[in-house]
Amino acid sequence: SQQGEEDPQALSIQEGENATMNCSYKTSINNLQWYRQNSGRGLVHLILIRSNEREKHSGRLRVTLDTSKKSSSLLITASRAADTASYFCATDARGNNRLAFGKGNQVVVIP
Amino acid sequence: DTEVTQTPKHLVMGMTNKKSLKCEQHMGHRAMYWYKQKAKKPPELMFVYSYEKLSINESVPSRFSPECPNSSLLNLHLHALQPEDSALYLCASSQVDFSGQPQHFGDGTRLSIL
Repeated sequence: SQQGEEDPQALSIQEGENATMNCSYKTSINNLQWYRQNSGRGLVHLILIRSNEREKHSGRLRVTLDTSKKSSSLLITASRAADTASYFCATDARGNNRLAFGKGNQVVVIP
Repeated sequence: DTEVTQTPKHLVMGMTNKKSLKCEQHMGHRAMYWYKQKAKKPPELMFVYSYEKLSINESVPSRFSPECPNSSLLNLHLHALQPEDSALYLCASSQVDFSGQPQHFGDGTRLSIL
């Protein structure tokens, strides 16, 4: 079964609006990470939330984790054109020394 | 600028060629990774090195041969590739402990097989 499977959505929003994307997974995890990938570039780590945490903030990013529902959400507040990118969640499953990436969400922020 | 440097940025090769991809990091990380990424897809793990030893090979065909000469360098040797091997190849590094460690990615080598 696929770990870190985001809701299959492409998001197109106006600059200044908030963007929310979701991620679901199927097995027990140590932590869940979110990465951003701009077109033609590598992945950039955004935030890591551990299995015993419920919410974490970093600048304009807010991540929640609900281990009972095996889901996470990433909220980007006051979006900017530079936030246009693909966003991937990745789970670090217990007993499995590898990151499993979800399908990714494409976010387009219109200036 | 990323802290993981990959060369070359672009590579076009024929199916009979032999070439190598290179990756370098100077963050003192002791785990290094190769991923393959197709367009609009997530990265797929290929290999993991931990303390310069191969720890994970995700059943990658033998036409891909990884090498870790030292703790800062990671190579991927390519030979007799197929057109379906055309993709973005990403290198990443992290501290050795997998759990709770973010991975730092290079910008990749875009490989095209003719």
